[in-house]
Amino acid sequence: EDQVTQSPEALRLQEGESSSLNCSYTVSGLRGLFWYRQDPGKGPEFLFTLYSAGEEKEKERLKATLTKKESFLHITAPKPEDSATYLCAVGSGNTGKLIFGQGTTLQVKP
Amino acid sequence: NAGVTQTPKFQVLKTGQSMTLQCAQDMNHEYMSWYRQDPGMGLRLIHYSVGAGITDQGEVPNGYNVSRSTTEDFPLRLLSAAPSQTSVYFCASRRRDLFTGELFFGEGSRLTVL
Repeated sequence: EDQVTQSPEALRLQEGESSSLNCSYTVSGLRGLFWYRQDPGKGPEFLFTLYSAGEEKEKERLKATLTKKESFLHITAPKPEDSATYLCAVGSGNTGKLIFGQGTTLQVKP
Repeated sequence: NAGVTQTPKFQVLKTGQSMTLQCAQDMNHEYMSWYRQDPGMGLRLIHYSVGAGITDQGEVPNGYNVSRSTTEDFPLRLLSAAPSQTSVYFCASRRRDLFTGELFFGEGSRLTVL
């Protein structure tokens, strides 16, 4: 069964304190792993696409990496404006569908 | 750029009432979809469409109906609302040509069923 699990559910950081969010997946025929950011009361906003193990993508203080079983979203020297819920999703080659994890809610305190 | 527009943003219904959530996009995207988001459950696909006149069921389609008469619009109908349908609903769209998870989401419609 295709499945996506994100950890931790919630993460509190001090401004400047780097950390990582995890997305573990089990999927038949990976057709991409996708990271989204969701602000309270808003819809998810696309961040990154990763297609193969070893691939990395960067955007400002965020870097996403991919292995055969998981992806990490590394946040370097975060700022309060990085506070949001981060969603991971995988494309299933078996079903052709996008499967979302439950998300990690990040709070960065000044 | 409007992107994906959802209406209404908030709605309260009584059990058994029906209503339609509206979704419109101005990006000429062939693929449109509806998700619901519940605490601890992640986003779950309700229905989707790959073009005008074509719709299909997602993961949780029961109690919902959709149609796609134009490229721009993809309304979601609740036939007889139940408390279990209390949720936040998101419409999302993308190009059809390649499978991709790069969806464009609306801002959501928060529905409460009493």
